[in-house]
Amino acid sequence: GNSVTQMEGPVTLSEEAFLTINCTYTATGYPSLFWYVQYPGEGLQLLLKATKADDKGSNKGFEATYRKETTSFHLEKGSVQVSDSAVYFCALSGKAAGNKLTFGGGTRVLVKP
Amino acid sequence: NAGVTQTPKFQVLKTGQSMTLQCAQDMNHNSMYWYRQDPGMGLRLIYYSASEGTTDKGEVPNGYNVSRLNKREFSLRLESAAPSQTSVYFCASSKAGTGGTEAFFGQGTRLTVV
Repeated sequence: GNSVTQMEGPVTLSEEAFLTINCTYTATGYPSLFWYVQYPGEGLQLLLKATKADDKGSNKGFEATYRKETTSFHLEKGSVQVSDSAVYFCALSGKAAGNKLTFGGGTRVLVKP
Repeated sequence: NAGVTQTPKFQVLKTGQSMTLQCAQDMNHNSMYWYRQDPGMGLRLIYYSASEGTTDKGEVPNGYNVSRLNKREFSLRLESAAPSQTSVYFCASSKAGTGGTEAFFGQGTRLTVV
C-alpha cells in the first residue's frame, strides 16, 4: 500500500535559517504529492502540491520538487520566520488507493527569534 | 466563508459512553473524510464518503460508525468509547477524491476518554 516517511522532529532553527524537511514515499503508480501545514490549535491547510514528476510546488517561500527517481518530495525554505513555526505533513494521494490522502507522521518546526 | 465546521471542539467522555462528532461543509464538495491524529503517527483515515450515499472504511475503522446525512454533513459516532480513542479528530472534504485537488480540514475535536 501507499506510505509516506518524513523526518522526525522537532526541528529547531533560528530566524532566517534554511529549512529542509525530508519526505520519501512508496506508492503504486503516479500519485500526487502534498505538503500540509498545521499551525497551533488549527486544522491542516494545504501549503503546496505537485501532481506529476519534476513538478515544483511553491507557496509562501516554500518549495518542493516531485522526484520520481528518488521517490522524494523534500520541503525547503530559504529563510524561515518565527511565524513558520508549525507542524508540517507530507502526504500523497493516488488512484491506486481510491484517491484518499495518506500522511506522514508530521515534523514539528520551531523557529526562534 | 465557513469551510468545514466541526462540533464540539473539546469533549471528555467516560469509558463506555457514546457520542457523535458532527461535521458540515459549505463548499458543495462530494467527498468527506474523518481522520484521527495521534502523536508521531500523522493522520490516519477512519472512514470516508466518496459521495452522498456512500461510506467506506479507512485504515482504522474499528470502534467507529459514520453517517453521510446529506451532501453537507458527515458524522462520526463512537458507540462505546475506550481510552484508546483519546485523540484529535479531523473532518475534511474535497471536490471528488483528493487526487490532485485540495482537501479542506476542520479545526478538530480534541476527545479525551477517561
